[in-house]
Formats: sequence, structure tokens, C-alpha cells
Amino acid sequence: AQTVTQSQPEMSVQEAETVTLSCTYDTSENNYYLFWYKQPPSRQMILVIRQEAYKQQNATENRFSVNFQKAAKSFSLKISDSQLGDTAMYFCAFYNTNAGKSTFGDGTTLTVKP
Amino acid sequence: DTGVSQDPRHKITKRGQNVTFRCDPISEHNRLYWYRQTLGQGPEFLTYFQNEAQLEKSRLLSDRFSAERPKGSFSTLEIQRTEQGDSAMYLCASSSHPFSPSTDTQYFGPGTRLTVL
Repeated sequence: AQTVTQSQPEMSVQEAETVTLSCTYDTSENNYYLFWYKQPPSRQMILVIRQEAYKQQNATENRFSVNFQKAAKSFSLKISDSQLGDTAMYFCAFYNTNAGKSTFGDGTTLTVKP
Repeated sequence: DTGVSQDPRHKITKRGQNVTFRCDPISEHNRLYWYRQTLGQGPEFLTYFQNEAQLEKSRLLSDRFSAERPKGSFSTLEIQRTEQGDSAMYLCASSSHPFSPSTDTQYFGPGTRLTVL
């Protein structure tokens, strides 16, 4: 079974600064995807960024980038130039390609302060 | 296509009543997933379908829970004899399978918030 751990229940950052959210996971699978999702208060969960496990290059998406360390089973999210609209709960998720389901961490609540 | 939709968005029921939720996935997606999310927690997997076939059910899905996807399009999740512990957000997601190489993911609906009194 896969487990996903997000060790930071809450974090805050000043507007325009950079913040890193941590995520570690445990699996014996080789073929999987990792995702960061954003869930604003009372709003829908949306994809922030994805990483295929077989790709060594870290994914980037505008202000969002990941540090994927496959051997260490670590998948952190860096948000640059933080904006007030980034305030949300962020979930790290592991998608098991063979089993067809995602395992989520318990989330990190990020607050961007003006 | 406007994305994954769920109905109703909110449901309040009394303990012991039956409730049914509906999920309409993105039309071209062959996989459909149900998750449950309680306050302050990440979503927990309940079950998923490949077309109309239910391929896996979590141990969280007790005998009071049943899910269907009769024509491989929309899905329903029914909870019989609801209990207060069933109060949660029920999320539906859909995806294509296999994932496309660079862009695909699970797309989530807005969820149905269930409150059992």
C-alpha cells in the first residue's frame, strides 16, 4: 500500500516571496505519477502540477515547480512570487497506474499574507 | 464540456435515511472515481470504474454503500441507512486511461457535502 506524508499542516508566506511545501511517499511501484492539487476554501480541487516517475527532469508550471527525488521518495512544491490567490489547501497525491487510484496526503494549509 | 459535475451539491438527511448522489464525468473519460473527504483531511479512495465495470472497492465502502455506472457514463453512489459518521464531502473524479503522456490527470468535481443529523 502507498502512503503519502505532508509534514507541514500549516504554512504562511508573505506576498511575492517563495515557499516550499514538502511531501514524502512510500511505494514499491515503479510506474506512477505524483501530483500537487490546490483546494481553495469551499471550492473545487484543481491540478497544480504533475510529475511522471520515469522522468528525471523536474516539472515546472509558471510560478510552480517541484523537486522530485525518486530515490528519497520526496516530492516538494515550490511556489515563487506568491500571490494572495495562492491561499488554499495543497494536497500531494500519488497515482498508482496499475491500481488506478490516488492516495492523498493530509494537506498543507497555505496562507499568503499581504 | 464543462468538466465533472455532481448533484446535489449539499444534502442534509436524518440518520437512517437513504441518499443517492450523481456524478457526470467529462464525456470522453473512461475512468470514474469516488473519494470521501472529511474536514481537514485529504480525500480517501472509495471505488473506481473503468467504463461500466467497477474494478476496485475500498474497505471504507461498507455494505451500506453501493456505486454504479450503468452505461459507462454517469455514476451514482448510494448510502443506505445513513449514520452520523457518513457526514463528509463525497468527491467524484474522472480521467482517461491510460493517461496521456504530458497533460492528463484526474479531474475533480465540486463534491457533494453530506450532513447526517
